[in-house]
Amino acid sequence: SAVISQKPSRDICQRGTSLTIQCQVDSQVTMMFWYRQQPGQSLTLIATANQGSEATYESGFVIDKFPISRPNLTFSTLTVSNMSPEDSSIYLCSVDRDGPGTQYFGPGTRLLVL
Amino acid sequence: GENVEQHPSTLSVQEGDSAVIKCTYSDSASNYFPWYKQELGKRPQLIIDIRSNVGEKKDQRIAVTLNKTAKHFSLHITETQPEDSAVYFCAASQAGTALIFGKGTTLSVSS
Repeated sequence: SAVISQKPSRDICQRGTSLTIQCQVDSQVTMMFWYRQQPGQSLTLIATANQGSEATYESGFVIDKFPISRPNLTFSTLTVSNMSPEDSSIYLCSVDRDGPGTQYFGPGTRLLVL
Repeated sequence: GENVEQHPSTLSVQEGDSAVIKCTYSDSASNYFPWYKQELGKRPQLIIDIRSNVGEKKDQRIAVTLNKTAKHFSLHITETQPEDSAVYFCAASQAGTALIFGKGTTLSVSS
């Protein structure tokens, strides 16, 4: 498996502000992913973040709203920009380890936007 | 792109009974099919997975079957226990790419 940490674990933010979420892994990984899980819903992929290249965003998610950094093989950040109450959700990072496709999730960041 | 359908959305069983959750996928190129268990307030936890070169995989009380021709795969839990109560998600991907998740099944095991 993998040891994955996220910061912050939760936050309450005002609309119009931005929040940067950090994801740290205990060893180098090629693939990192960011997902959103709205209350009572499934996980929706936001983007794939590979080190040394631009993140690849899924339909409905844009870089201006969710800029992602991947400065090295153990770390990534996701910023939720110009937040609105609709951005209230759990944001999870995941990493691809232990064989192609095997993904482990971080503990998530619970975001509430007022 | 890939689309994953999951049924049922809720499932209630008595302790000791078996539970079966079914998923279908649309992209024939998908070759990796994991199952995650998510307890309330916790992260999704990988419980079992199967790759397209295998038809069935078992780990104690949990088994997964895959029918590539029909593009469906199922999770089987035998001798259910109250601690099996959780939301279960199936997913599909081409190995090395992002997972596409089903909508989840809330399993309730009553004692």
